[in-house]
Amino acid sequence: EPEVTQTPSHQVTQMGQEVILRCVPISNHLYFYWYRQILGQKVEFLVSFYNNEISEKSEIFDDQFSVERPDGSNFTLKIRSTKLEDSAMYFCASRAGLEGNEKLFFGSGTQLSVL
Amino acid sequence: AQTVTQSQPEMSVQEAETVTLSCTYDTSESDYYLFWYKQPPSRQMILVIRQEAYKQQNATENRFSVNFQKAAKSFSLKISDSQLGDAAMYFCAYRRGETSGSRLTFGEGTQLTVNP
Repeated sequence: EPEVTQTPSHQVTQMGQEVILRCVPISNHLYFYWYRQILGQKVEFLVSFYNNEISEKSEIFDDQFSVERPDGSNFTLKIRSTKLEDSAMYFCASRAGLEGNEKLFFGSGTQLSVL
Repeated sequence: AQTVTQSQPEMSVQEAETVTLSCTYDTSESDYYLFWYKQPPSRQMILVIRQEAYKQQNATENRFSVNFQKAAKSFSLKISDSQLGDAAMYFCAYRRGETSGSRLTFGEGTQLTVNP
């Protein structure tokens, strides 16, 4: 089965530093997402991306966050100035198309630790 | 806004027995989709089963089946013949049906323990 690839698997950073989390979605997919999960809590939607622009974002996705698809294969999440509360597992996901039950493929996640 | 509620933070089952995980949701939409995801200790999100709201027939995937009660806005997951590998966190999720790639809204999760 095709896979969504995320790198790195673990990222440790100092508070206030910028981090970039990287994802390679499945090659023919059109819709891309970032979700996060604080340890012990539910998975929360951050942002969705289609046709090179954000299609939806949550209240969590403030000005400190940005997404980019710089080269047609990678899909990145940037946090400009990390805070302690940004520590979480960040999941990238992709879907092929618009069918409502279209399977959403998740990556294995990047565990971000902000010290 | 749509909400998903899982009222059982933890459940346990004996190997080979059957267990049912509960999920309720709230929406004003008529077109939507419901999902159960499994998250083992590796924290990978694995799709277990999905249900289209317009279908009356309950979805089934091998040992996994759902009881979808649309009027009651209930979507429970039944695991039959439980195996040790079923031990994981299970999340119920909702997606609005529409023409753009809408978000998944997750419940709080149920931690399932399978006892040998």
